[in-house]
Amino acid sequence: GEDVEQSLFLSVREGDSSVINCTYTDSSSTYLYWYKQEPGAGLQLLTYIFSNMDMKQDQRLTVLLNKKDKHLSLRIADTQTGDSAIYFCAERTGIAAGNKLTFGGGTRVLVKP
Amino acid sequence: EPEVTQTPSHQVTQMGQEVILRCVPISNHLYFYWYRQILGQKVEFLVSFYNNEISEKSEIFDDQFSVERPDGSNFTLKIRSTKLEDSAMYFCASSGEGLFTEAFFGQGTRLTVV
Repeated sequence: GEDVEQSLFLSVREGDSSVINCTYTDSSSTYLYWYKQEPGAGLQLLTYIFSNMDMKQDQRLTVLLNKKDKHLSLRIADTQTGDSAIYFCAERTGIAAGNKLTFGGGTRVLVKP
Repeated sequence: EPEVTQTPSHQVTQMGQEVILRCVPISNHLYFYWYRQILGQKVEFLVSFYNNEISEKSEIFDDQFSVERPDGSNFTLKIRSTKLEDSAMYFCASSGEGLFTEAFFGQGTRLTVV
């Protein structure tokens, strides 16, 4: 079955880059996602990558995918205090609309001034 | 910007009671989902719903759970006889059709069973 794992916690200084890592087991994953959850809020989609891509850049966010190692990372450049949140990696198997997401446990990112 | 809304934001109920969690998905979306997150654990898939029927459900979604789209706008999750272990944050999500379908999540309902 599908399984997604993340480290629990990351502390970073404001202005530095953050790198959040994720591993997954399902080799038939088609899309991989990064969601952000701020306190009291829902899950906000930050970015995603299709499984045939190695890298995707979206402003301060860079997603790297190593499909061979089943490793996904999210790099946040110039991390700001507003980036403090829990970040969830998720995978989706199949391309049909309506497929479920399998989430990792979330990485709590704390940005120190 | 369209959003998924959930009510209530927090519900406290006694063990054995029935609860109904409510969601208003984004209006032109066709797929609806419930996920839950027990405190300190992963966000887990419960059920997906399309064309007025369940399209997929997890092993968590047993006979105590049911979903319904009672009208054109609401999507509900009912837990018939709540147990202490049902205490969790419940997230509703919806998505449209197409090759890439982003799932939009609501802010969640925190259910506390006492």
